[in-house]
Amino acid sequence: RKEVEQDPGPFNVPEGATVAFNCTYSNSASQSFFWYRQDCRKEPKLLMSVYSSGNEDGRFTAQLNRASQYISLLIRDSKLSDSATYLCVVLSAGDSSYKLIFGSGTRLLVRP
Amino acid sequence: DGGITQSPKYLFRKEGQNVTLSCEQNLNHDAMYWYRQDPGQGLRLIYYSQIVNDFQKGDIAEGYSVSREKKESFPLTVTSAQKNPTAFYLCASSYATGYNEQFFGPGTRLTVL
Repeated sequence: RKEVEQDPGPFNVPEGATVAFNCTYSNSASQSFFWYRQDCRKEPKLLMSVYSSGNEDGRFTAQLNRASQYISLLIRDSKLSDSATYLCVVLSAGDSSYKLIFGSGTRLLVRP
Repeated sequence: DGGITQSPKYLFRKEGQNVTLSCEQNLNHDAMYWYRQDPGQGLRLIYYSQIVNDFQKGDIAEGYSVSREKKESFPLTVTSAQKNPTAFYLCASSYATGYNEQFFGPGTRLTVL
């Protein structure tokens, strides 16, 4: 089983739609959680961190459920520019340091 | 302008040749990382370095080598021992390992012919 699992998509939605991505992680001792955005053939960039109480940044809302080991990202009022791959990322403690574990990503296509 | 640079953007090599990918950062970050990304897969950690003159193997270190002689630089050598070297290679840095955000360079696409 992968440490971080995501639905690969693609999610194909019209402009203005609300779309939700889910992610599960296997290590219950994981420390922190993030969503990164990766445009086609580009490097990943941090979209937002995910806090236990849930957090919102404009049209984006992230939720964490530690009991179910589940993270979600909700995008409201989708824009064409939201088309990208969204990576679920988990920070886990290794033997001597922390490391980020990346999901394989969920691809979003927003159409006019 | 602070950031991470990787060069070259595209690299072609013949099978059996070693190749070195460059990564430089001027963010004054202690920690640096090398990842590999294959189509439809997440990033996989090759090597990381917490501080100058120190580095640790990641999950897929076989066939790769690194050095960290300067804080700003963390070059990756893909050796002929790496069985499937064709991939997108991403370098990243952070203030320290465990810090929330890793900043990524633009990546190098390596194709071995």
